[in-house]
Amino acid sequence: KAGVTQTPRYLIKTRGQQVTLSCSPISGHRSVSWYQQTPGQGLQFLFEYFSETQRNKGNFPGRFSGRQFSNSRSEMNVSTLELGDSALYLCASSLQGLIRGNTIYFGEGSWLTVV
Amino acid sequence: GESVGLHLPTLSVQEGDNSIINCAYSNSASDYFIWYKQESGKGPQFIIDIRSNMDKRQGQRVTVLLNKTVKHLSLQIAATQPGDSAVYFCAENGVTGGGNKLTFGTGTQLKVEL
Repeated sequence: KAGVTQTPRYLIKTRGQQVTLSCSPISGHRSVSWYQQTPGQGLQFLFEYFSETQRNKGNFPGRFSGRQFSNSRSEMNVSTLELGDSALYLCASSLQGLIRGNTIYFGEGSWLTVV
Repeated sequence: GESVGLHLPTLSVQEGDNSIINCAYSNSASDYFIWYKQESGKGPQFIIDIRSNMDKRQGQRVTVLLNKTVKHLSLQIAATQPGDSAVYFCAENGVTGGGNKLTFGTGTQLKVEL
C-alpha cells in the first residue's frame, strides 16, 4: 500500500509570506504528526493530530499551526515566515498515534527554503 | 529536563565490520526507545525499538542494548554494508505536555568504507 505522501517536496518562499504543507497518511492511519528537521536543532516535534483533534504540541511559536481533515489528511501552516524556518518538514502517520509500541511511518518530507 | 543525545556525530567503519552507535538519555522515566535510519533525501525509517523492561532486543543484523543504570542505549549493526550508510537517530516516545511525543537525539552519521 502507498506510504506517507507529502507535498510539495521542495519550495522556496520569501520572508513574511506564509506556507501550507500537505500530508496524506497511510490508508487507515488516523494519527498524523509533524516534525521540523534542521542541521542545528535536529528533529523536533511540532504537533500530533488524531481523528481531527490536536493531541499534543511541541515548543513552537503560534505561527506554526496545523489541522486534520475527516479523511485523515493533514496540513500544516507557517505564517510570517522567517529565515530560521528553512528546514525539512516531516510528516508521520500511525494507526493509533504516538503510543508506545505503535510503529510510526515517515514521509519523504517537504524542503522549505525561506529567502 | 528531558533530553536524548548522541555521543558521536560521525562513525566510520569498514565494510563487514560491526558498528556500534550510542545514545544517552537524561529522563529516568523514559521507558520506550526507538532507533531510526535516515538516508539522504529520505524520511526516517523505523529500525528497532525496545521497552525499558528489556535489556536487549535483536532484529535482522541489528541489536539494541539498554542500560537503565547509566541511561544509555546502543544500536549494533552486524557485518555493516554500504547500504547501511545513513544517519541514525535514537528517539524516546514518552508522555509530555499532556500527550505523547517523539524526542529525537541529534543523530550519528554512519559511513561505511569499502
